[in-house]
Amino acid sequence: SQQGEEDPQALSIQEGENATMNCSYKTSINNLQWYRQNSGRGLVHLILIRSNEREKHSGRLRVTLDTSKKSSSLLITASRAADTASYFCATGYGAQKLVFGQGTRLTINP
Amino acid sequence: KAGVTQTPRYLIKTRGQQVTLSCSPISGHRSVSWYQQTPGQGLQFLFEYFSETQRNKGNFPGRFSGRQFSNSRSEMNVSTLELGDSALYLCASSLGSSQETQYFGPGTRLLVL
Repeated sequence: SQQGEEDPQALSIQEGENATMNCSYKTSINNLQWYRQNSGRGLVHLILIRSNEREKHSGRLRVTLDTSKKSSSLLITASRAADTASYFCATGYGAQKLVFGQGTRLTINP
Repeated sequence: KAGVTQTPRYLIKTRGQQVTLSCSPISGHRSVSWYQQTPGQGLQFLFEYFSETQRNKGNFPGRFSGRQFSNSRSEMNVSTLELGDSALYLCASSLGSSQETQYFGPGTRLLVL
């Protein structure tokens, strides 16, 4: 399956700590995106990183992409309670195909 | 710009019935994708429409169908509902390619009894 797989499935940390989530995939991709979903709501786009990019930043978010290892990581620095959500990676490959992983449930404890 | 809107937000149906869900994309967006989200299967791709044509289709039975209108609004229909069709149905739009940033609606939560 081309589907990206997030690791860990669930992560619980203290407010102020950093959170790191990983995504692995199986075949060559055009790009990789990260999304956030608050409980039972629609997904919100966080970052898109193209296959020729290695790192991107957006505020407290840092995404890396290692195409040789077919993996990506999402780092959230100085976590806040509002960061509690599920995080999904989505891999774009082939012609117009975008596949989402199963997600990482992140809980930030006050 | 207004975001992606989906109607209805909640729906309760019984087995064997059919249902139609509606999605209005962001103005100017021509690609509309539909996803089914369940606790067990996660987020699964149903189909994508671009300029009124189905461009991609996921692995769902023929009971699931969709269409897109000339104004890019899209509908999906599920016929002969089964208990397992209970899920959050999400619609997302993008400018052109489905691999660009997807803008999601709030979803329609369907419960089949």
